[in-house]
Amino acid sequence: SAVISQKPSRDICQRGTSLTIQCQVDSQVTMMFWYRQQPGQSLTLIATANQGSEATYESGFVIDKFPISRPNLTFSTLTVSNMSPEDSSIYLCSILGTSSSETQYFGPGTRLLVL
Amino acid sequence: GENVEQHPSTLSVQEGDSAVIKCTYSDSASNYFPWYKQELGKRPQLIIDIRSNVGEKKDQRIAVTLNKTAKHFSLHITETQPEDSAVYFCTIGAPNRGSTLGRLYFGRGTQLTVWP
Repeated sequence: SAVISQKPSRDICQRGTSLTIQCQVDSQVTMMFWYRQQPGQSLTLIATANQGSEATYESGFVIDKFPISRPNLTFSTLTVSNMSPEDSSIYLCSILGTSSSETQYFGPGTRLLVL
Repeated sequence: GENVEQHPSTLSVQEGDSAVIKCTYSDSASNYFPWYKQELGKRPQLIIDIRSNVGEKKDQRIAVTLNKTAKHFSLHITETQPEDSAVYFCTIGAPNRGSTLGRLYFGRGTQLTVWP
């Protein structure tokens, strides 16, 4: 299966600042997604990162707060803008597996703490 | 969207015992049911999945059963080991309706602890 990496693996940020998280895959994939996992909670889908067009956001998430880019089929970024302590979470990217149109694989996650 | 209920939220068993986690869902069109295991500080890992044309699937000590009529599916772990301790998530793949392709709906998770 594809190898997924994320940068940074963790960060501590001040409120009001922004952080961009990168997701790199070692092969071309059709679909990439961004999830948030708050402490002790389940995963919540933020958006589907669409190659060459605007991301598709889930209810409760907006582009101004979580701008997403996907310039090609192997790379995507998620920016957490104007951060507050409530944004402290793990952010994970995921891909649809190349051998199946349904199996989803996750990156290692970015652990974010906002002070 | 799909509504996924998962029970129990925590489960403690003795090593060697069996563990069962149950999930229910609402959309009868759902047809893909993967289970993920997340160890502390790690990413979710797919451990087994089942599609709606199959009632049961087994992989060594792990099995999943699906009852489409009742809209529930379960994860069974036999001969549990301390290494099975983790959070387990049932998930449902959204039916392929164009814009929902690839979307996964997660249950709230079950913290399984296996005591040696």
